[in-house]
Amino acid sequence: GENVEQHPSTLSVQEGDSAVIKCTYSDSASNYFPWYKQELGKRPQLIIDIRSNVGEKKDQRIAVTLNKTAKHFSLHITETQPEDSAVYFCAAPFNDYKLSFGAGTTVTVRA
Amino acid sequence: SQTIHQWPATLVQPVGSPLSLECTVEGTSNPNLYWYRQAAGRGLQLLFYSVGIGQISSEVPQNLSASRPQDRQFILSSKKLLLSDSGFYLCASQEPNHNEQFFGPGTRLTVL
Repeated sequence: GENVEQHPSTLSVQEGDSAVIKCTYSDSASNYFPWYKQELGKRPQLIIDIRSNVGEKKDQRIAVTLNKTAKHFSLHITETQPEDSAVYFCAAPFNDYKLSFGAGTTVTVRA
Repeated sequence: SQTIHQWPATLVQPVGSPLSLECTVEGTSNPNLYWYRQAAGRGLQLLFYSVGIGQISSEVPQNLSASRPQDRQFILSSKKLLLSDSGFYLCASQEPNHNEQFFGPGTRLTVL
């Protein structure tokens, strides 16, 4: 199956600074890479995803980049705000439709 | 868009007792359905998935089982709970031929 590694496990940033989370995957056939945000006690919410036919996708303050050659993808959050504090999970597909998740990154935005 | 319901929201059960968690989905037909468990402060572990009524695949051996009696109903069960079964149980739904998975609100299970 797909092996997804996520770094760092924790990230503390000053409000207004940027945050970057990186994930690597093992299956070169993977073609869909979602990112989820999970606030404390809540369900994971899909915040952005990217497919293998593009290298970058943006949605307001968040962006995801994909390097298929190196088999890694990253989440970028710019101008961080306190409400960005959460656990973020990356994922990659295996066996067509199942998802293998990274271990998660706990992001803390300091006011 | 689809809506995913899970109940109960929280549950406290003694060791050795049975378990039944329910997930129902609205707004889609023939979804792929998933059960995940999340231990405190940990990642998402896939337990079961289903591509249709009566079709269940298990990802990890354990004392849990799953059933899909109706197209948009997915049930997680156990005959005898263990302490290690404590966690946050999440149901996820995925429309046919789509990649996106969406999660239900979860059930927080504490086994004492």
